[in-house]
Amino acid sequence: ETGVTQSPTHLIKTRGQQVTLRCSSQSGHNTVSWYQQALGQGPQFIFQYYREEENGRGNFPPRFSGLQFPNYSSELNVNALELDDSALYLCASSLEQINSPLHFGNGTRLTVT
Amino acid sequence: SQELEQSPQSLIVQEGKNLTINCTSSKTLYGLYWYKQKYGEGLIFLMMLQKGGEEKSHEKITAKLDEKKQQSSLHITASQPSHAGIYLCGADFGNTDKLIFGTGTRLQVFP
Repeated sequence: ETGVTQSPTHLIKTRGQQVTLRCSSQSGHNTVSWYQQALGQGPQFIFQYYREEENGRGNFPPRFSGLQFPNYSSELNVNALELDDSALYLCASSLEQINSPLHFGNGTRLTVT
Repeated sequence: SQELEQSPQSLIVQEGKNLTINCTSSKTLYGLYWYKQKYGEGLIFLMMLQKGGEEKSHEKITAKLDEKKQQSSLHITASQPSHAGIYLCGADFGNTDKLIFGTGTRLQVFP
């Protein structure tokens, strides 16, 4: 049990729609990272938030956006969904120190049809 | 990611056998993390290595980081069905906590 919870667990959307995924981090973890994991692949870094500010971004287009809230919750928003956005989306939280391990939630499985 | 290569991609072993999974980087690593993932679930943190030549163990799993900090190995002794899953190495290339992951090694252990 990592203390990181994500909702919903599964979601089906249609191409062109928008989706919001939610994450609740461990208390005291000021850093939250989001990853996309396609089937059979390793997780790909989307972006990281630290104290409600974006703190680094991977190779993802602007239609992927995020928010982090003071109560250790965060959101990943994806606009104009594409079929290739179908994946497991993982949220991970960590302490605000370098080399602090990431603690992952169980993810949200998004299917875009 | 091409920055991290894991081998083998998959492994099927009989219960009780030892096995090794490798993770190779094209660049120097500031930190190397090993995670385990059950299918469709989140990643469970196993170990973190930072120093060249470092070795850590937890139960029957041992991880090492070579002196040049460009390759790590994960060794499981006397494998059990509970060891089955996907093993992922994650690298910190810039002394940050933004990890780049390998494509994973799928381990199956049969009785």
